[in-house]
Amino acid sequence: NAGVTQTPKFRILKIGQSMTLQCTQDMNHNYMYWYRQDPGMGLKLIYYSVGAGITDKGEVPNGYNVSRSTTEDFPLRLELAAPSQTSVYFCASSYHETAGNTIYFGEGSWLTVV
Amino acid sequence: QKEVEQNSGPLSVPEGAIASLNCTYSDRGSQSFFWYRQYSGKSPELIMFIYSNGDKEDGRFTAQLNKASQYVSLLIRDSQPSDSATYLCAVNVRGTYKYIFGTGTRLKVLA
Repeated sequence: NAGVTQTPKFRILKIGQSMTLQCTQDMNHNYMYWYRQDPGMGLKLIYYSVGAGITDKGEVPNGYNVSRSTTEDFPLRLELAAPSQTSVYFCASSYHETAGNTIYFGEGSWLTVV
Repeated sequence: QKEVEQNSGPLSVPEGAIASLNCTYSDRGSQSFFWYRQYSGKSPELIMFIYSNGDKEDGRFTAQLNKASQYVSLLIRDSQPSDSATYLCAVNVRGTYKYIFGTGTRLKVLA
């Protein structure tokens, strides 16, 4: 079972460059999330989506954009990369009929901005 | 006050002992609580969740929830070196589908 798949796994960006982290899930989950995790820290929510065409900001949305054109895909766009965006990024998904269901994570994308 | 707080550790316990991990949360209306385990360089994986006050057991793991005191804990019985990891507490934000994570507690089980 593929679950939540993220690409790329590793990437080095130069300051000011842009890139898109791809995320796809094959579990027909309606909710998807992007988190970032800095060394020794917990997960901070960047953006989330409750379904195709609907996205909302999390705790740390500045410098990022998302879109959700299909149920399966939830790409995260970094515009004008900054060193502060060096982090590990996790995409996650869950299925909700009511709030409080389990979320499942992808394997992570390690991003370094130099 | 942080929304979800955990002691960063490391918490060191000998093999075979009980490891006790604690988490407090600020939103009294939070309704669902999750414990994730994260090995170094890996993604978080769900251990268990709890919604109701009291204890919930799953194998060597027991989650305890006290909504009046706003804390949730995870007990690991018969700790093994393979349990050495960072344990993340997550809380579902009331009325939303957002999950807020604590910074995690690093557990070391000494052989």
